Parts: sequence; C-alpha cells; structure tokens
Amino acid sequence: KAGVTQTPRYLIKTRGQQVTLSCSPISGHRSVSWYQQTPGQGLQFLFEYFSETQRNKGNFPGRFSGRQFSNSRSEMNVSTLELGDSALYLCASRPQSSYNEQFFGPGTRLTVL
Amino acid sequence: TQLLEQSPQFLSIQEGENLTVYCNSSSVFSSLQWYRQEPGEGPVLLVTVVTGGEVKKLKRLTFQFGDARKDSSLHITAAQPGDTGLYLCAAPGGVNRDDKIIFGKGTRLHILP
Repeated sequence: KAGVTQTPRYLIKTRGQQVTLSCSPISGHRSVSWYQQTPGQGLQFLFEYFSETQRNKGNFPGRFSGRQFSNSRSEMNVSTLELGDSALYLCASRPQSSYNEQFFGPGTRLTVL
Repeated sequence: TQLLEQSPQFLSIQEGENLTVYCNSSSVFSSLQWYRQEPGEGPVLLVTVVTGGEVKKLKRLTFQFGDARKDSSLHITAAQPGDTGLYLCAAPGGVNRDDKIIFGKGTRLHILP
C-alpha cells in the first residue's frame, strides 16, 4: 500500500502571497489531518477532514483553510502569507477503526520571505 | 485543554548507554502513541498503548503506559546512533475516538557514536 504523499515537498513564497498544499492519504483512509510544525511550537493541529467535512479544528486564524475531495485527497490553503507561516506542514491519515494511530506524509517545507 | 508534557526536551548520550524519556499529563487518555521523526521527514508510528500499566517492547525500546493512563515512558537500552531523532507522544484530545490528536513537543535525542 502506498503511503501518504504530499506535494510539493518544498515551497518558497513571499509575504502576502497565498499557497495551496496537497495531500493524498493512504488508500481506504477517510480521515486527513493537517499539522504545522515549527522548532518553537512543535506539532500544532490545524484541522481534520473526514468524508469531505471538517471534523475538528485547531486554533489557527481564518487565513488557514482546507478541503477534502470525494477521493479523500485534501488540500490546505494559506492566504496572505506572513513570515511566521514558515514551517513544515504535515498531513496525516488514519483508518476509521484504529486507536487514533496516524500515518504521516513527508511534509511540505514552506519558506516565506 | 489537554496537554502532553515531554521531558527532557533534549538528550545527548553516548552509544551503548540506556535512557528514559517521559510523557506526562494531568488528563486520562484512552490510548497513547509514540512516534519518531527524523529530519526532513514526517513522524513514524512506533507503538500504541491502551491499557493502564501496559508494557510493549520493540527491539531495544520499551514503552510503558501509566497505571492511571495519564503518563507514559519510553526506555531505550544500549542506544545506537540510529536511535537519533525526535520522539513524540500523542493522544486523543478528548473522550471521543474522533477527537483531534494532540502531540507533545517532543524529546530530541542524539546518540553519539
């Protein structure tokens, strides 16, 4: 079974721009979660989608948004980028019947200049 | 808000030594996971513990869930350079299985050859 894939792996943007990141979960997994990872704050939960609906949400501003498609692929969008948005963005999928185990993609490294 | 506190934050030891890292909370969890993350990659699931007092072994790694299911420890015997990485603990942020998953900030482990 193929793992979680994320594209692109690296991205450089400037302040004020917007960015869209993509995540394809493991086949059969309907839940996709997004996390922001920075050295100072660790892994912070952005949101989770399940069957095209946002099921959980973290404490990020409205500039961060996401969606999920019928094939469970997910995208997240960040508008009006700020320097502080530079981070590793991780996507994780989990099977429905599990003890909350998640399977992570390699991440997208976003640098905002 | 449920929090997972990991200690120590950083640990650098010689190859062959033993070590223990901790994950503590004031909340009770239905399950808890440990992950290892290497630079530039997403976290990889190591183990899930579910029952209070449970002990699981993965080669030289021993994981224990506290009797009250509020804390966990990871013990590594005869550490090797390949054990180097960021060790994260994670647990559901609420009482429902579909609740978001929260992470500790991690213990960054460096094994010196």
